[in-house]
Amino acid sequence: DAKTTQPPSMDCAEGRAANLPCNHSTISGNEYVYWYRQIHSQGPQYIIHGLKNNETNEMASLIITEDRKSSTLILPHATLRDTAVYYCIVRVEGNTNAGKSTFGDGTTLTVKP
Amino acid sequence: GAVVSQHPSWVICKSGTSVKIECRSLDFQATTMFWYRQFPKQSLMLMATSNEGSKATYEQGVEKDKFLINHASLTLSTLTVTSAHPEDSSFYICAWTGLTEAFFGQGTRLTVV
Repeated sequence: DAKTTQPPSMDCAEGRAANLPCNHSTISGNEYVYWYRQIHSQGPQYIIHGLKNNETNEMASLIITEDRKSSTLILPHATLRDTAVYYCIVRVEGNTNAGKSTFGDGTTLTVKP
Repeated sequence: GAVVSQHPSWVICKSGTSVKIECRSLDFQATTMFWYRQFPKQSLMLMATSNEGSKATYEQGVEKDKFLINHASLTLSTLTVTSAHPEDSSFYICAWTGLTEAFFGQGTRLTVV
């Protein structure tokens, strides 16, 4: 799995958009960008993933640069419940490898009232 | 998304005893699953990969005789921490693989006293 680099921490005001960056300059052509988050003392939760096109679901949007060397996770209207550690992971998609993820240190997002 | 149930959510045991942690998939079957360990203020570290019907594969530095993994069926995997010591105190998390994403259990907080 390619290595990712994320800022250790970020703050965001409640109701504002939270933009979490991730650098993955060594990503391979068949590797996807995945985002998970971990709320304190819970297991990680899947947020979104993509290959090269921007993606959006009910939780967030994922913007991947054209060269695929970096991406941004966007939480459009952050709430206090979005306070968590956010992990950016790059790996191949597939039934046997999907769970084997190399977790970096992630970004601790703190949403403030 | 799929539901992964991990039990117990927390356990306290005496040094030298063994503890079993169960991980069940409630609405799907998977042949491969993963066990992670997370120490306080650190990221998740993969411990082992198990496949139903075969022996688990352990990551470097993880003692296979201490952390026994049994992948009993397509919906149940267990991790037994044998002869637990205080340094084994950690947050243990299982993950089942899906076609595109991983589903994590809620984690088990083990405290060895």
